[in-house]
Amino acid sequence: NAGVTQTPKFQVLKTGQSMTLQCAQDMNHNSMYWYRQDPGMGLRLIYYSASEGTTDKGEVPNGYNVSRLNKREFSLRLESAAPSQTSVYFCASSGAIGLSTDTQYFGPGTRLTVL
Amino acid sequence: GENVEQHPSTLSVQEGDSAVIKCTYSDSASNYFPWYKQELGKGPQLIIDIRSNVGEKKDQRIAVTLNKTAKHFSLHITETQPEDSAVYFCAAIPYSGGGADGLTFGKGTHLIIQP
Repeated sequence: NAGVTQTPKFQVLKTGQSMTLQCAQDMNHNSMYWYRQDPGMGLRLIYYSASEGTTDKGEVPNGYNVSRLNKREFSLRLESAAPSQTSVYFCASSGAIGLSTDTQYFGPGTRLTVL
Repeated sequence: GENVEQHPSTLSVQEGDSAVIKCTYSDSASNYFPWYKQELGKGPQLIIDIRSNVGEKKDQRIAVTLNKTAKHFSLHITETQPEDSAVYFCAAIPYSGGGADGLTFGKGTHLIIQP
């Protein structure tokens, strides 16, 4: 039981390049989330998916798109990377029953640098 | 939206002493308050959580208290050990029925346990 897995672990991009961050969970959770973590800022929600087939914007969605590919997988895409998107990105999942108060479990993170 | 303030940003205590981290929140609809521990290079891990129908919860050396009237909650760690050194985040989320929503995090407290 791997929990939440993320790929890649590290990535360096040039401004304007695109990339997709992958996330998968094996806990049969309904809800999945993408957060970014910047120094001194805590974690901020980018997008979330309450259930397969639905996605919603969080606090900082600009510059990102997401796809809930199936119940297990939730990807985050940067279409045209900017230096302001340099951050550590965490995927999380929660809830066999999709309630907001279910515990969220986090992956190990992807450290992204945009030059 | 919700706003979570966390204090202090850095806390240094002697091994064996107690540590207290405090958070306040702004949205009176919030009713789930988890605490996460993050070690260097890893994703956040849930250590304890509390729901609004209780005022205190304890798990071995860790306890959380909640004051809904004052809209604040605190993490208490007793008999601190070197392995308690990490960054701790508080978070809050309102109950949203059959859906899901992201957590709003505080900015974190770097806890340092001095030998």
